Amino acid sequence: AQTVTQSQPEMSVQEAETVTLSCTYDTSESDYYLFWYKQPPSRQMILVIRQEAYKQQNATENRFSVNFQKAAKSFSLKISDSQLGDAAMYFCAYRSGGINDMRFGAGTRLTVKP
Amino acid sequence: NAGVTQTPKFQVLKTGQSMTLQCAQDMNHEYMSWYRQDPGMGLRLIHYSVGAGITDQGEVPNGYNVSRSTTEDFPLRLLSAAPSQTSVYFCASSSWQGHEQYFGPGTRLTVT
Repeated sequence: AQTVTQSQPEMSVQEAETVTLSCTYDTSESDYYLFWYKQPPSRQMILVIRQEAYKQQNATENRFSVNFQKAAKSFSLKISDSQLGDAAMYFCAYRSGGINDMRFGAGTRLTVKP
Repeated sequence: NAGVTQTPKFQVLKTGQSMTLQCAQDMNHEYMSWYRQDPGMGLRLIHYSVGAGITDQGEVPNGYNVSRSTTEDFPLRLLSAAPSQTSVYFCASSSWQGHEQYFGPGTRLTVT
């Protein structure tokens, strides 16, 4: 079964600075999708960014970008110009291209210091 | 569009009681899933459905039942609640093309 590992239980960043959250995954499949979800204290799961494995170009959404290293099975999230509203739990997730099974990492709690 | 809705938001059960967590989506999504979230463990898949009348087990299915009689609804039943089922439960849905899942607001369940 695929596994997703987030090795940083907690991270902190100064407001306006840049922070990178790490994620690695284990799979033997070639067709899959990777996601970063944000969970603020409200508990709502919010999609931050997605990456298709067949795309070499790293996905970008405004201040959020990923570094997708397919051979290394690494999928890190970079948050630029961090804002107080970025404080949340961040989950990395893997989904196979063929089925509904989505696997999540244990999460990284991000604190943003003013 | 209401997206994915879940009821109730909070629930307290005694050991041995049964209950149903409701989930509905209005996006005409084929796929629907139930997850539980426990501290330090991320989200784990309980059951999922790829369409009306079709369900399958996920990673942690024991103690839970599901059914999918319509595209919109995907209820989760706890047959005989146990303290180990204390958790936050999320329902999610997705289309085939989108792959990302849209989540409901969650239900916090406490079993005493």
